[in-house]
Amino acid sequence: DTAVSQTPKYLVTQMGNDKSIKCEQNLGHDTMYWYKQDSKKFLKIMFSYNNKELIINETVPNRFSPKSPDKAHLNLHINSLELGDSAVYFCASSQKGGSSAFFGQGTRLTVV
Amino acid sequence: SQQGEEDPQALSIQEGENATMNCSYKTSINNLQWYRQNSGRGLVHLILIRSNEREKHSGRLRVTLDTSKKSSSLLITASRAADTASYFCWGYGSSNTGKLIFGQGTTLQVKP
Repeated sequence: DTAVSQTPKYLVTQMGNDKSIKCEQNLGHDTMYWYKQDSKKFLKIMFSYNNKELIINETVPNRFSPKSPDKAHLNLHINSLELGDSAVYFCASSQKGGSSAFFGQGTRLTVV
Repeated sequence: SQQGEEDPQALSIQEGENATMNCSYKTSINNLQWYRQNSGRGLVHLILIRSNEREKHSGRLRVTLDTSKKSSSLLITASRAADTASYFCWGYGSSNTGKLIFGQGTTLQVKP
């Protein structure tokens, strides 16, 4: 059983398009995250939600909008995609307080 | 700026040798975790060490934590070709924001 699942795994799209990446966790965790891994492998936190409430929003362009319909889901919507948005996006979940975090397999986004 | 940093950035060893990689971080943490990322894949949780622990073992892995120096080390003993991957340290910040801190990772190559 997949603990944290992201879809799609690969996404190729043109500049200017709007796209969404979905994330679901079945671990009962109360905190979910989105990370962006750039070509240099840096993993940078983008957003964190705890019990559907946004608690971290790191200098991310407002073209990126996370949506958490419930504790088990945290989707990432990106408007007006740019070339620089090309990266691997990872969703993760943990229990607040610092339990082990589990990561999805990543979504490789390529903007052409 | 990144809050965590692993060194070395790249490490190449022969099968059977030990590999040691280090991680330094800037803010206080509740715990520190190490992850492995195989090329093009997601992050796999390896081991968690809490801020009140100094050393922890799991199979061929040995992790140390020095909170006074804000550093941790991961030792992989008797390395295998399958250990070839990137290794990231990840700290759960104690400021209770749930912020997860990553470094750039150490890329380990184990030659058969």
